[in-house]
Amino acid sequence: KAGVTQTPRYLIKTRGQQVTLSCSPISGHRSVSWYQQTPGQGLQFLFEYFSETQRNKGNFPGRFSGRQFSNSRSEMNVSTLELGDSALYLCASSLGFGTNSYEQYFGPGTRLTVT
Amino acid sequence: AQSVSQHNHHVILSEAASLELGCNYSYGGTVNLFWYVQYPGQHLQLLLKYFSGDPLVKGIKGFEAEFIKSKFSFNLRKPSVQWSDTAEYFCAVTVNSGYSTLTFGKGTMLLVSP
Repeated sequence: KAGVTQTPRYLIKTRGQQVTLSCSPISGHRSVSWYQQTPGQGLQFLFEYFSETQRNKGNFPGRFSGRQFSNSRSEMNVSTLELGDSALYLCASSLGFGTNSYEQYFGPGTRLTVT
Repeated sequence: AQSVSQHNHHVILSEAASLELGCNYSYGGTVNLFWYVQYPGQHLQLLLKYFSGDPLVKGIKGFEAEFIKSKFSFNLRKPSVQWSDTAEYFCAVTVNSGYSTLTFGKGTMLLVSP
């Protein structure tokens, strides 16, 4: 089974621009979660999508948004980029229901650098 | 809201030494506990998990962890580390809310010298 894939792997953007990151979950997984990883704050939860609906949201400003498509693929968008948005953005997928809902598998991440 | 604390930010060991990484969480209800590992240049991988049952769980690569409910702890252990265990280790928790949301500790960077 193919793992979680994320595109692009690396991205350099300028302050004020917007960016869209993409995630393809493991086949059969219906839940996709996004996390931000930085040296200072560690791994922080952004949001979770299940069956095209946002199921849970972390404590991030409204500039961070996401969506999920009917094939469970997900995108996250960051508008009006700030220097502090530089981070590794990780996507994780899980079945989304039952006990196995809690078992998440991570992709390689997208390294975003904002200059 | 739940939180996770990992006691050591950096640990340096020699090969064959025993390892114990501490993890404590704060949440009064039922939790699911995880250890993830991130090898240099690689993505986060699930090392082991605890949902219920036997509090001593075994994971991949000889790692094990013990859930002690009274201490809100889920410490990771390995009797004899190898150079290839050099990585960052993250403890994480979810609560039985129906969501998959993981709350992570800050991580422990383990360096094993040959």
